[in-house]
Amino acid sequence: AQKVTQAQTEISVVEKEDVTLDCVYETRDTTYYLFWYKQPPSGELVFLIRRNSFDEQNEISGRYSWNFQKSTSSFNFTITASQVVDSAVYFCALSEAGGNNRLAFGKGNQVVVIP
Amino acid sequence: DTAVSQTPKYLVTQMGNDKSIKCEQNLGHDTMYWYKQDSKKFLKIMFSYNNKELIINETVPNRFSPKSPDKAHLNLHINSLELGDSAVYFCASSQERFTEAFFGQGTRLTVV
Repeated sequence: AQKVTQAQTEISVVEKEDVTLDCVYETRDTTYYLFWYKQPPSGELVFLIRRNSFDEQNEISGRYSWNFQKSTSSFNFTITASQVVDSAVYFCALSEAGGNNRLAFGKGNQVVVIP
Repeated sequence: DTAVSQTPKYLVTQMGNDKSIKCEQNLGHDTMYWYKQDSKKFLKIMFSYNNKELIINETVPNRFSPKSPDKAHLNLHINSLELGDSAVYFCASSQERFTEAFFGQGTRLTVV
């Protein structure tokens, strides 16, 4: 069963617009971690953020912000004032207490920022 | 000063051949992984080692065999390559449970 769902496959935005990427996860564990990774066209996977299941505080890092809501099992990611360099595939991932630290990835959101 | 490095970056080979991908991390992490990314960009774990001990072995054909000579290295050997093995293979490492994994640049394997 899919543990992490990223419903929007490809999203196109015009530069300077905001874009929000939805991530819905599924787990029976009470202890788990959520992650976002970025994969630019060059192909590497870049870690962006980690959030544990006991910390529902939202986080902002520059133009990036994350909204974690346990009530809806969601961990959404917003890029504010998008730039061309934000064009990439963004992956949400889940690591469960009983999962030996494996990351279960969503299918990714392809973000295309149009200049 | 690359944290997780894997070689080669590109690998083109014929069906039936045997090939290896090497991975090294200089972060001092205890756990290393192999992930496979298919043509639709879906990422899935294959193996995980913690201090040279195999922890995760997903449903992967026996033709794939990981080898960890020490905790800084995790190599992937693939026997009798098939067309369906074409993918990008990522090595990664992490320090402890639930910490973020750092990924290598990936190895794009193409079987012809």
